[in-house]
Amino acid sequence: QKEVEQDPGPLSVPEGAIVSLNCTYSNSAFQYFMWYRQYSRKGPELLMYTYSSGNKEDGRFTAQVDKSSKYISLFIRDSQPSDSATYLCAMRGQGGATNKLIFGTGTLLAVQP
Amino acid sequence: GAGVSQTPSNKVTEKGKYVELRCDPISGHTALYWYRQSLGQGPEFLIYFQGTGAADDSGLPNDRFFAVRPEGSVSTLKIQRTERGDSAVYLCASSLNPAAFEGYTFGSGTRLTVV
Repeated sequence: QKEVEQDPGPLSVPEGAIVSLNCTYSNSAFQYFMWYRQYSRKGPELLMYTYSSGNKEDGRFTAQVDKSSKYISLFIRDSQPSDSATYLCAMRGQGGATNKLIFGTGTLLAVQP
Repeated sequence: GAGVSQTPSNKVTEKGKYVELRCDPISGHTALYWYRQSLGQGPEFLIYFQGTGAADDSGLPNDRFFAVRPEGSVSTLKIQRTERGDSAVYLCASSLNPAAFEGYTFGSGTRLTVV
């Protein structure tokens, strides 16, 4: 079993829809939770990060972490065609000699105009 | 520079050959990471440098893979006796202060194809 599981999609929605992206994880030591967006042939770009449990909002994007269920979500409101990309969840523990991130497989999102 | 620069952007090599992939991090970023992303997968950690030293190389798959960062800025990932299974996008990332999380900045990657 992978440490981080993510539905690979693809997910296709009409413009203006609310999008929900999710990841589950098994390692209870994870404390930092991130969402990256990756356009085709580009590197991942950090969208949002959250420390421990709770919600965080940034414009049209909301990140939620439920550590009791080991479940994280990213919501995109009023989705736009420019949101079409692969969305990667990533996480890591706190402290230690390394800061390596464990990524999900990514969900491919297509927003249709 | 303004971002993380990786060269070459694409590399095609024959099985058994040696390749070097270069990463030029954001100026002043002391932490540098290499990840590998296979088709349809998320990035997988290879190695982390803090300054000139490799603080964690636990992700390197075998001894054919080696990375250096001699002056604490540019890093080179070296792959000997390449195999077709090494084909992937090799991503480099850097960060200013690994102790206080603010996320990494990734480069666009080097797409390695072993034929």
